[in-house]
Amino acid sequence: NAGVTQTPKFRILKIGQSMTLQCTQDMNHNYMYWYRQDPGMGLKLIYYSVGAGITDKGEVPNGYNVSRSTTEDFPLRLELAAPSQTSVYFCASESRGREQYFGPGTRLTVT
Amino acid sequence: AQKITQTQPGMFVQEKEAVTLDCTYDTSDPSYGLFWYKQPSSGEMIFLIYQGSYDQQNATEGRYSLNFQKARKSANLVISASQLGDSAMYFCAMRETDSNYQLIWGAGTKLIIKP
Repeated sequence: NAGVTQTPKFRILKIGQSMTLQCTQDMNHNYMYWYRQDPGMGLKLIYYSVGAGITDKGEVPNGYNVSRSTTEDFPLRLELAAPSQTSVYFCASESRGREQYFGPGTRLTVT
Repeated sequence: AQKITQTQPGMFVQEKEAVTLDCTYDTSDPSYGLFWYKQPSSGEMIFLIYQGSYDQQNATEGRYSLNFQKARKSANLVISASQLGDSAMYFCAMRETDSNYQLIWGAGTKLIIKP
């Protein structure tokens, strides 16, 4: 049982490049989330999904896009990367109403 | 206004002592849940304990307990008999029922256990 997996673990992007952060969960959870964590700070919600085909914006969605074509996968797309997107990105999933299970995170640097 | 406040940016505690990490919250929703997560230096987020607003008893999980004072809107985490491995960032988070299950996070407390 792998839980929540994220790839890549680390990435360096140049300003203006694009990339997709992958997130997969094998717990059949309907709810999935993308967060970013800036140094010394708590988590901020970027996007979330309550089921396949349904996504919605969180607190800080600008510069990102998501899709949810299957229950298992919830990729996060960064378009036109900017230095302000340098952060650690966490994907999480949950069975409704209980604790969220987190992936190991992706450390992204935009230079 | 801050919905989750953790007033202690950092704490030093002697090994084997108990430690209390503060968390206050602000909500008008009568139905909500409070969570504590641990983030060690390796970076992963580890769920520790959950308290529902209608739970009659304070939640406990092993060495972790939650001192839930509803009238004061506080949900402090108590770690008994601290260990060196407890050194980490600790985050308090809240979910309001009418928020479509989004979690609101505090800024965290960095706990360092001294040998």
